[in-house]
Amino acid sequence: GAGVSQSPRYKVAKRGQDVALRCDPISGHVSLFWYQQALGQGPEFLTYFQNEAQLDKSGLPSDRFFAERPEGSVSTLKIQRTQQEDSAVYLCASCRINEKLFFGSGTQLSVL
Amino acid sequence: QQPVQSPQAVILREGEDAVINCSSSKALYSVHWYRQKHGEAPVFLMILLKGGEQKGHEKISASFNEKKQQSSLYLTASQLSYSGTYFCGTERATGANNLFFGTGTRLTVIP
Repeated sequence: GAGVSQSPRYKVAKRGQDVALRCDPISGHVSLFWYQQALGQGPEFLTYFQNEAQLDKSGLPSDRFFAERPEGSVSTLKIQRTQQEDSAVYLCASCRINEKLFFGSGTQLSVL
Repeated sequence: QQPVQSPQAVILREGEDAVINCSSSKALYSVHWYRQKHGEAPVFLMILLKGGEQKGHEKISASFNEKKQQSSLYLTASQLSYSGTYFCGTERATGANNLFFGTGTRLTVIP
């Protein structure tokens, strides 16, 4: 596709439910990032992949958060047992090595 | 870890100029600037690498002072389309790639 694609665009979950957020990066982009953006705040780094290798997951807020990119393309961010504080926009970005980031439009997660 | 931006918000009339500042307590390799409109993805503006260079993009330019660990974004003769939230993203080591974004500066340009 022409850009980074994320789905779903909106997700409403009941507290305690598991959710899975999908990111389709730009074809050929080696690097993929997940960010969490709370309302009125800047994006906060969650995790980073280079191809299928997860090189940095230091930003994941708890062990309820898990990300994978098994074939070095599509990535999934999974949140288990969602809590209200998980409500945010989850942004995915991809790039070639050491080049500018291209962001997707994000998934807005609301946990009730 | 998060860089600090100032001001938090600014309102301009069309044609006025603005400066947005970004400072970090950590040594920086590069600074990236993005603009995000409400409900949309952040869009890349420019990257500045250490070396104190200044770059330009139409009427938007930026500078990077690596000794002071600061960057400034300059918007001249602002247009309505410049409205949005501006974020600086800082990269602390080459190849690290993961950016730490500031809290943002909300810019509103009015006719």
